[in-house]
Parts: sequence; structure tokens; C-alpha cells
Amino acid sequence: GDSVTQMEGPVTLSEEACLTINCTYTATGYPSLFWYVQYPGEGLQLLLKATKADDKGSNKGFEATYRKETTSFHLEKGSVQVSDSAVYFCALSPAPGGFKTIFGAGTRLFVKA
Amino acid sequence: DTGVSQDPRHKITKRGQNVTFRCDPISEHNRLYWYRQTLGQGPEFLTYFQNEAQLEKSRLLSDRFSAERPKGSFSTLEIQRTEQGDSAMYLCASSSDSNQPQHFGDGTRLSIL
Repeated sequence: GDSVTQMEGPVTLSEEACLTINCTYTATGYPSLFWYVQYPGEGLQLLLKATKADDKGSNKGFEATYRKETTSFHLEKGSVQVSDSAVYFCALSPAPGGFKTIFGAGTRLFVKA
Repeated sequence: DTGVSQDPRHKITKRGQNVTFRCDPISEHNRLYWYRQTLGQGPEFLTYFQNEAQLEKSRLLSDRFSAERPKGSFSTLEIQRTEQGDSAMYLCASSSDSNQPQHFGDGTRLSIL
């Protein structure tokens, strides 16, 4: 079945360092891909999305490119801030019309001042 | 847009008791989803409503679990005869259609004593 695999955390970085969180997926058809962020004690917030191959989603300095050939959707940011400390979830929604979002296990990011 | 709201935020109960959670989706969203999230994991799909119709239930949803959305607006999730393994965060999400990202509430954290 469809699944999402993302790198295990925690990831600890100093402020202004570069961030990459790897995400690969298995799916039939052409899923939509998402990154969600979860701050302590809160629900998930959509960070960015891409709906077709080669699309690049971006928001708040984060970006990810839908790579169908490598079935990947890695999250990147050039310069992280302390406020970026959170848990990041890669997710997919099966081919258009699918109702179920499938999440990875999450990657916790700590950013030190 | 007041977002998705869930009530209560926290519920502590003794094993064997029944509990009920409420979710109020974004008002114009006709799709509503319930997920369960355990510590260190991503959310797992439980069930999905389109308007008042419950269209899909996960195998995770045992006979002790029941969800309703009587008027196609708010939804309730009831767990009967709670067990230790039911301890988790229960997340509700809504969307305007199946191709749009889901918006999540802050969740109800259930602790079984």
C-alpha cells in the first residue's frame, strides 16, 4: 500500500544552518505531496504542498520539489531559526479524489541559538 | 475562518469508561476526518465523512469506536469501554474537497488511567 518514509530525528542545528529533511514515498498513480509542521501542544499546520511531478512547494523559506523519478519530496531551508523548532511530517494524498492522507513518522528539529 | 476546533483539549479517564470528543470543522468544509496520533508517530487515519455520510472507516476503528456527523456540521467520536491502548491524541481535520489540503484542529489528548 501507499506509504511515506522520512529521516529519523531528532535533528539538531545551530541557528542559520542549512536544513534538509529527507522524505521518500511509495504510491500508485500520482499522489499529492505535503509537508506539515507541528509545534508543541498544537495540531498540524500545512507548510507546503506539490500536486504534480517537478512542482516546487515553498512557504516561509522552506521548499520541497516533487521528484517522481526518485519518489522523493525532501524539505529544505537555507537558514533555520530557533522558531523553526518543531516536528515536521511528510505526507501524501493518493491520486486525485483520494480522501486519506498518509503521514510519515515525523522528524523533530531542534534549532539552537 | 476560525479554524477547526476540538473539545475537550485533554481528557483523563479510568479504564472501562466511555468518552466522547467533539470536532467543529471550518464552516464551509464538507469533508471531515478523524486521525489518531501516538507519541513519536504521525497521525493514522480513522474515519472520513462527506457531509453527514461516513464513507470510510479504518481497520483501526474497532467496534468500541463510533463517529457521527448528524447534520453535516460538527462531528463526535465516542470510545466505549476505554482501554490503556486508547491513550493517544485524537485529531480532527476538514477540507473543502478531496484535492485540497486538510486543516487540522489542536487535538484532544486522551489519557487512560
